[in-house]
Amino acid sequence: DIVMTQSPDSLAVSLGERATINCKSSQSVLYSSNSKSYLAWYQKKPGQPPKLLISWASTRESGVPDRFSGSGSATDFTLTISSLQAEDVAVYYCQQYYSSLHSFGQGTRLEIK
Amino acid sequence: QVQLAESGGGVVQPGRSLRLSCAASGFTFNTYSMHWVRQAPGKGLEWVAVISYDGSNAFYADSVKGRFTISRDNSKNTLFLQMNSLSVEDTAVYYCARGAVGATGGEPNDYWGRGTLVTVSS
Repeated sequence: DIVMTQSPDSLAVSLGERATINCKSSQSVLYSSNSKSYLAWYQKKPGQPPKLLISWASTRESGVPDRFSGSGSATDFTLTISSLQAEDVAVYYCQQYYSSLHSFGQGTRLEIK
Repeated sequence: QVQLAESGGGVVQPGRSLRLSCAASGFTFNTYSMHWVRQAPGKGLEWVAVISYDGSNAFYADSVKGRFTISRDNSKNTLFLQMNSLSVEDTAVYYCARGAVGATGGEPNDYWGRGTLVTVSS
């Protein structure tokens, strides 16, 4: 099974500043035949279902603000929020979908400093 | 629009069983794999199970293998999760989520239901 590990577990950032969350997979989630990394990022707020923000490591979903960006390949990935807004307070999860067993990272709690 | 609606949650004693349902609409249900994901109180998201578009393949997290069974009724656009031998560690909000077209892997979970709470307690 593929194990996903995020860092840090929690993060406090001032409004308007950059937030960076890292995710590492225990094995590569890069599919060589199409050169795509099977990695997604989700935002989870209390009482709401997870919201898909980014797929294929760096493709923003429709309607997601462009302050959210994803980068990385194979085993190491990053979610960046370029200018933190109050509504971005949430827990963020990475997920691999390379395997049928879609494992998640443990989550990173993002707060306002 | 795509809609997923879970039902069947509630309070159940340890060792008992419960069956969750997820009613799907707004998309061609019988072409997509479907997943169950759960979140225990104060914990992170945990992937639980996936079933292929036609029900021919299913995969489970180690934590539920042998106790939970995922199934679907494509004639009723409904996904199920049969949960047996429940323990307090199974207490969580259970979400159904849409997966990939055809295959059980290969695409993220783009649509989610609002979840149903299962509480295992004596």
